[in-house]
Amino acid sequence: SQQGEEDPQALSIQEGENATMNCSYKTSINNLQWYRQNSGRGLVHLILIRSNEREKHSGRLRVTLDTSKKSSSLLITASRAADTASYFCATDAIYNQGGKLIFGQGTELSVKP
Amino acid sequence: GAVVSQHPSRVICKSGTSVKIECRSLDFQATTMFWYRQFPKKSLMLMATSNEGSKATYEQGVEKDKFLINHASLTLSTLTVTSAHPEDSSFYICSALGPLLAKNIQYFGAGTRLSVL
Repeated sequence: SQQGEEDPQALSIQEGENATMNCSYKTSINNLQWYRQNSGRGLVHLILIRSNEREKHSGRLRVTLDTSKKSSSLLITASRAADTASYFCATDAIYNQGGKLIFGQGTELSVKP
Repeated sequence: GAVVSQHPSRVICKSGTSVKIECRSLDFQATTMFWYRQFPKKSLMLMATSNEGSKATYEQGVEKDKFLINHASLTLSTLTVTSAHPEDSSFYICSALGPLLAKNIQYFGAGTRLSVL
């Protein structure tokens, strides 16, 4: 199955810095979502951006979507140690039915206090 | 709202035994649930889509007789790993499609770590 590519695979920053993660995908989509996973836990939904949207904000999160380049970015501003987690993008492809998502490989973010 | 409970969180079993994992939507009805498998530091691999009242749809390469899925009610889906072997050891996660206003979002359980000895 096709999956998104995320980069970087791992990112280590200091508290207070911004963290940017990128996601590329291969097919036309209905929407793109970002999820967060703490180590050994399930995923938590962060934000959804529709294919006709270019940018979306939620608190310290900013997501952009460029459908012409089939890419998205997640920016976390003023990071905190509690933001340490893995972040996954997930695409709801047009050809998919029933709500299936295709997950990227993930970016492991480490925020050092 | 939209809470999904997964049980057990951890299970250790002997090779050859069967293990059942439960996934419950606590405060909403979930007509569609998903089962994933995740290897260390890897992405989620979709195993199957579970629809209430009908047979599960398995992804290519997933043995349906090995991984039995039952979605008998609008709040419960179960995954049974039959005749488990050490190579089945993994982290299994379920999710449910959200209620109407969040129908494009998946709500995840906390996962089950299966270790087969």
